[in-house]
Amino acid sequence: KAGVTQTPRYLIKTRGQQVTLSCSPISGHRSVSWYQQTPGQGLQFLFEYFSETQRNKGNFPGRFSGRQFSNSRSEMNVSTLELGDSALYLCASSLDPRQGRGYTFGSGTRLTVV
Amino acid sequence: DAKTTQPTSMDCAEGRAANLPCNHSTISGNEYVYWYRQIHSQGPQYIIHGLKNNETNEMASLIITEDRKSSTLILPHATLRDTAVYYCIVRVDPAGGTSYGKLTFGQGTILTVHP
Repeated sequence: KAGVTQTPRYLIKTRGQQVTLSCSPISGHRSVSWYQQTPGQGLQFLFEYFSETQRNKGNFPGRFSGRQFSNSRSEMNVSTLELGDSALYLCASSLDPRQGRGYTFGSGTRLTVV
Repeated sequence: DAKTTQPTSMDCAEGRAANLPCNHSTISGNEYVYWYRQIHSQGPQYIIHGLKNNETNEMASLIITEDRKSSTLILPHATLRDTAVYYCIVRVDPAGGTSYGKLTFGQGTILTVHP
């Protein structure tokens, strides 16, 4: 079956702009989580959606937001981009978010802010 | 979620067993140990998990000490494709509602498998 699909794979934006990243989970998976990965901070949890509701949120400023649609696809938005937002953004889908073995990650979107 | 400590890097010869240690001395009774790995430019991949018994699957074995304060991931016959960053994660599962969707990754161990 198809894996987790993230689009676009690469993105270059200018400081102050906003960006929207997309994640299509594995068919049947209702949970989508987002992570930011940088060389300095490693992998950090952003937020998780289950059945269109945000269930958990990491320690990121309000410029980072997300949503989930009725078909479980999710989008993540970052407004007023800063240089420090340059990172690999990963999404993971799961059938049951309570079970840690069930997370399947996408290959990520690499965002560069210039 | 409990904190984990892993060596920064390890080397292993191809075909030999790779033993990756993880310390989780503050683990609680209802916290599981998970291992994920991340191969360069890809998203993390689930390997194995366990509570207190040793576990084995087609990818690896997980040995958890009796006091549960540490564990070892064993790749029985390492190949070049096993070169990756390996993450040991401790979290409550499945009844821990506050951990919904959240995996807390540390810095992991960079495993390099040599020919």
